Amino acid sequence: AQSVTQLDSHVSVSEGTPVLLRCNYSSSYSPSLFWYVQHPNKGLQLLLKYTSAATLVKGINGFEAEFKKSETSFHLTKPSAHMSDAAEYFCVVSVGSARQLTFGSGTQLTVLP
Amino acid sequence: DAGVIQSPRHEVTEMGQEVTLRCKPISGHNSLFWYRQTMMRGLELLIYFNNNVPIDDSGMPEDRFSAKMPNASFSTLKIQPSEPRDSAVYFCAVGTTSTDTQYFGPGTRLTVL
Repeated sequence: AQSVTQLDSHVSVSEGTPVLLRCNYSSSYSPSLFWYVQHPNKGLQLLLKYTSAATLVKGINGFEAEFKKSETSFHLTKPSAHMSDAAEYFCVVSVGSARQLTFGSGTQLTVLP
Repeated sequence: DAGVIQSPRHEVTEMGQEVTLRCKPISGHNSLFWYRQTMMRGLELLIYFNNNVPIDDSGMPEDRFSAKMPNASFSTLKIQPSEPRDSAVYFCAVGTTSTDTQYFGPGTRLTVL
């Protein structure tokens, strides 16, 4: 069985400071891992995806995530937060050959001026 | 939103009424997924189709829910009769059978009074 745990339900940062959103996963197989972002009243947008090609994955809008197998983690980072980054972020794991996604509970990111 | 079209964007109805949500996927994607998002339960997969065929409907909450995909360019999710606890945002997402990346529509916000 696959699962994903987002360690923080809310994160607040000041504009211009680094962002760290934490995610741990559990998977019986080599997982595919994703980060999606959801802005208020919008659908989910794919930020980035890990598929074993490289452990450091770069996504859109300056975000990146590092896959660490030894720690079963896939944390999302950004060097400098922007006001437009305020949104909910979901860490997601792909479930085997069925291609079903298992979503974390989400982390609400607040960016303070 | 990657071109997935959902309609209506907002629906308000009274308990007992039939509700039909619609999804028009983007071409070239042969998998279609219906999700429900609530504050209490987060994102839940309801059902998914591959090549217009329902593969797994174990997430459909009750017999009141049904989904169809008569062709590659259209899918519906029907609730009959609707109940207040069905109030949620319903997302349609698309993918392909060769990859586990999914692209989400903007969602339909359903309110059942």
